[in-house]
Amino acid sequence: KNQVEQSPQSLIILEGKNCTLQCNYTVSPFSNLRWYKQDTGRGPVSLTIMTFSENTKSNGRYTATLDADTKQSSLHITASQLSDSASYICVVTNNDMRFGAGTRLTVKP
Amino acid sequence: EAQVTQNPRYLITVTGKKLTVTCSQNMNHEYMSWYRQDPGLGLRQIYYSMNVEVTDKGDVPEGYKVSRKEKRNFPLILESPSPNQTSLYFCASKWDQRNTEAFFGQGTRLTVV
Repeated sequence: KNQVEQSPQSLIILEGKNCTLQCNYTVSPFSNLRWYKQDTGRGPVSLTIMTFSENTKSNGRYTATLDADTKQSSLHITASQLSDSASYICVVTNNDMRFGAGTRLTVKP
Repeated sequence: EAQVTQNPRYLITVTGKKLTVTCSQNMNHEYMSWYRQDPGLGLRQIYYSMNVEVTDKGDVPEGYKVSRKEKRNFPLILESPSPNQTSLYFCASKWDQRNTEAFFGQGTRLTVV
């Protein structure tokens, strides 16, 4: 069983709408959690990093939350744009990185 | 510009024909690793290297070899490729094993027929 589970697998929204992606993990001990964005045909690029003591962190229209007690994180995207179409990967690090399978987001005009 | 460079981007080969995918980083990172990405699965680590001449197996090392003779280069070698190694491969580097951001290459899409 994967130690990092993401939902939904895929999501289609209209441009300008908001959305929230979920990440549940069982990785322990926990060092940090990153959200990566992977555009089609490219390698993942880090969006945010959260450590154990952080509950929320924003990067422009992206806001990540972390509940270390329930081992859940979310990535909220506000006012989506066509360029947000990508896969979003949750990565939890203890001794090494553990990857979720990703959520494929499609933003339609 | 800080980057991780993989070559080739696309490769189609036949079963059993040895191939090498190169990876080079210009950030003086100690840690480098190889992953494969398959539909519905997260990136799975094949091999990693914590420094020159130090390599170790990841989660799915069977059928792969690596070497780390220089800090900047970390090639992935498939001695006898098989169709189940058809996948999208990524090389990544970071300063050290824990608590740091990984920088990924553009990916190599390998098809073994």
